[in-house]
Amino acid sequence: EDQVTQSPEALRLQEGESSSLNCSYTVSGLRGLFWYRQDPGKGPEFLFTLYSAGEEKEKERLKATLTKKESFLHITAPKPEDSATYLCAVQADNQGGKLIFGQGTELSVKP
Amino acid sequence: ETGVTQSPTHLIKTRGQQVTLRCSSQSGHNTVSWYQQALGQGPQFIFQYYREEENGRGNFPPRFSGLQFPNYSSELNVNALELDDSALYLCASSGSGETQYFGPGTRLLVL
Repeated sequence: EDQVTQSPEALRLQEGESSSLNCSYTVSGLRGLFWYRQDPGKGPEFLFTLYSAGEEKEKERLKATLTKKESFLHITAPKPEDSATYLCAVQADNQGGKLIFGQGTELSVKP
Repeated sequence: ETGVTQSPTHLIKTRGQQVTLRCSSQSGHNTVSWYQQALGQGPQFIFQYYREEENGRGNFPPRFSGLQFPNYSSELNVNALELDDSALYLCASSGSGETQYFGPGTRLLVL
């Protein structure tokens, strides 16, 4: 069964304290892995799409990486405005356009 | 370029009633997907529409139904509402690529 697990469930950082979020996945043929940011009560905001192992993408303080079993979202020198829930999702080859989401990591960055 | 929009933003219904939620796709996108997100959970795939045809369905009962119109806007209909249907309902649109862009969501409360 296709599955996505994110860890930790919650992460508290001090401003400037770098860390990583993990997304482990099991899927029968990966079409793509997606990272989204979600603020409370709002829709997910697209961050990155990764397609194959070894691929990396960066945007400001965020960097996403992909292996055959997991993805990491690295946050360098975070700021309070980076506080949000970060969602990971996969799309499988045989599942049409369906996205399978993890439960998210709630990130809190304190000044 | 206009993003994905949804209406209404909030809705309160009573058990047994019916509800219709609406979504306008991002300009140039011909595929719409609907997701249900319970509090503290990742979004769950309901179904997807491509060029007015259903293109995949998640594990939701038949009382969840949808439509896509020629202008690629979409509706989600839920009949015989249950208390567990209380959630944030998200619409996402996509074009030729796999990346789905989400709207702000409709918060449904069933009493």
